[in-house]
Amino acid sequence: QKEVEQNSGPLSVPEGAIASLNCTYSDRGSQSFFWYRQYSGKSPELIMFIYSNGDKEDGRFTAQLNKASQYVSLLIRDSQPSDSATYLCAVNDNAGNMLTFGGGTRLMVKP
Amino acid sequence: DAGVTQSPTHLIKTRGQQVTLRCSPKSGHDTVSWYQQALGQGPQFIFQYYEEEERQRGNFPDRFSGHQFPNYSSELNVNALLLGDSALYLCASSLRRNTEAFFGQGTRLTVV
Repeated sequence: QKEVEQNSGPLSVPEGAIASLNCTYSDRGSQSFFWYRQYSGKSPELIMFIYSNGDKEDGRFTAQLNKASQYVSLLIRDSQPSDSATYLCAVNDNAGNMLTFGGGTRLMVKP
Repeated sequence: DAGVTQSPTHLIKTRGQQVTLRCSPKSGHDTVSWYQQALGQGPQFIFQYYEEEERQRGNFPDRFSGHQFPNYSSELNVNALLLGDSALYLCASSLRRNTEAFFGQGTRLTVV
């Protein structure tokens, strides 16, 4: 059973701080890793993806991948109240057929 | 450029009925996957369609079936609805099978 684990939160950070969201996965054969943001009542929105070990930066977002530790994280710099949402970590299998999602971490950014 | 579109957005059905949900993928995408998201949980993979065939299926009963048309659009059918089928049903499209997937706005199904 492939599993993706996230702390459900809520993670509360003050406006302007760095939010750090973490995710671990069980399948060592996983190839692709995704972060989705989901506002309440809305569908998931893709914000970052990473395929190789190391860091990948896109604006205020940085995704970090460590395949040896089976760990992927998302850093949000200069957090804004509009970043308040649930962040879903998803992992793609070798065949590229399905995404396995974690349960999501709820982030609250307080003004 | 139209994104992934799903219809209807909301639906109320009675236990035992059948429902059909529809999805049009993002322009240029050829792969459609369906997910079920219960309240407070992450999406669960139902199945994926590519080249009009079901390529992989998640842990869902045969009551859940689907189809992909030559224009890449897709339908999800659920028979003999149960109260537990109440959820947000999400369609995701991608180009080929192992690339970034983008979600539609979802269909909120309520079974009463």
